[in-house]
Amino acid sequence: GAVVSQHPSRVICKSGTSVKIECRSLDFQATTMFWYRQFPKQSLMLMATSNEGSKATYEQGVEKDKFLINHASLTLSTLTVTSAHPEDSSFYICSAKTSGGDYNEQFFGPGTRLTVL
Amino acid sequence: AQSVTQLDSHVSVSEGTPVLLRCNYSSSYSPSLFWYVQHPNKGLQLLLKYTSAATLVKGINGFEAEFKKSETSFHLTKPSAHMSDAAEYFCVVPYNFNKFYFGSGTKLNVKP
Repeated sequence: GAVVSQHPSRVICKSGTSVKIECRSLDFQATTMFWYRQFPKQSLMLMATSNEGSKATYEQGVEKDKFLINHASLTLSTLTVTSAHPEDSSFYICSAKTSGGDYNEQFFGPGTRLTVL
Repeated sequence: AQSVTQLDSHVSVSEGTPVLLRCNYSSSYSPSLFWYVQHPNKGLQLLLKYTSAATLVKGINGFEAEFKKSETSFHLTKPSAHMSDAAEYFCVVPYNFNKFYFGSGTKLNVKP
């Protein structure tokens, strides 16, 4: 149980275009989902926290107008990178929390590798 | 504030020898602590977690970790490394109700 999927796994886009990444909890309802960014050879940095039906909370330094997050249902959150530039190239990972179970545990998706040309 | 420090960015062991990946935490109270593993271009998999029950925690794939409050440590160990253990390992501490603080990661290399 507690499987999180991401789509697409890889995406290459041109500079200036927008890219949408989906994060789904497959067998549980995720009241909270998180979006992380991981640069090569670095650790994961939390970008934002999204709760179903409400606005996402962004970490300091993360541009909310550039990284649009929508958490429209208990099983789906999307991250849209708007007007992508090469410096946005990164590995984006989502995670999800259940409302029950272990209070702290997060379940991670397999990640999406974004390359902006 | 909660944080973790992973003391080694790279660890290299021979197959069949013990593994030790070090993690020290900083917390104003007894925290929960996790170890996650990430294989190349993959998401993170939970290895084990400490949630203030037993101080010696056993995880998947033969890994275990011991919470030592006196040393503020939560080192990850395995008696005998396998080639498939080669990956990056992250020590994680939750904070602010929901969020995860990730250590900088330790890349484990296993030599044949």
